[in-house]
Amino acid sequence: AQSVTQPDIHITVSEGASLELRCNYSYGATPYLFWYVQSPGQGLQLLLKYFSGDTLVQGIKGFEAEFKRSQSSFNLRKPSVHWSDAAEYFCAASNYGGSQGNLIFGKGTKLSVKP
Amino acid sequence: DAGVIQSPRHEVTEMGQEVTLRCKPISGHDYLFWYRQTMMRGLELLIYFNNNVPIDDSGMPEDRFSAKMPNASFSTLKIQPSEPRDSAVYFCASSLVRAGESGEYNEQFFGPGTRLTVL
Repeated sequence: AQSVTQPDIHITVSEGASLELRCNYSYGATPYLFWYVQSPGQGLQLLLKYFSGDTLVQGIKGFEAEFKRSQSSFNLRKPSVHWSDAAEYFCAASNYGGSQGNLIFGKGTKLSVKP
Repeated sequence: DAGVIQSPRHEVTEMGQEVTLRCKPISGHDYLFWYRQTMMRGLELLIYFNNNVPIDDSGMPEDRFSAKMPNASFSTLKIQPSEPRDSAVYFCASSLVRAGESGEYNEQFFGPGTRLTVL
């Protein structure tokens, strides 16, 4: 079955430290991949997306993600975390081009930032 | 531009009551999605529409749940009768198919959610 796995439920990093959030997918073919962020009490906001081409994609708020086909991974990174980055992060995948577009989400990784 | 609008933001009701959640998608978007988020199950897709027509309702948990989209600017998710296990945050999202370098893609925009508590 198609699935998205985020192995880390909760991560704590110090402000200014680097961050990597892991995401693995299980699909028959390379899906379209997304990272969303959810701040407390808010909806989900799209950080970045990957469809094809350059395997390193840049997103908003200084985030980037790297697609690695051999590892079926799409990890999210940020070189220097800010306190405002504390939120929950969701990786998602879709195996449809666009006419359907429904997403399968991972369970999320909650990020805490220490001062 | 206003984003996806959901109402109410919070709903507290008693078991057995009917609950109606409302969503106004972003103008011009032709897809609308309803999700449910719980601690145990994470984010689950309940149903989605394309051009007001339900496409996939396989995620609707049972017959107590129903969704309608009478026009392009409004959708409802109804639970009748409600049960305590329906307590969750319900999100609505809308999207527009866009042309990308490798074909079409869908980018979903989420509303702020409705937090439902069934006592």
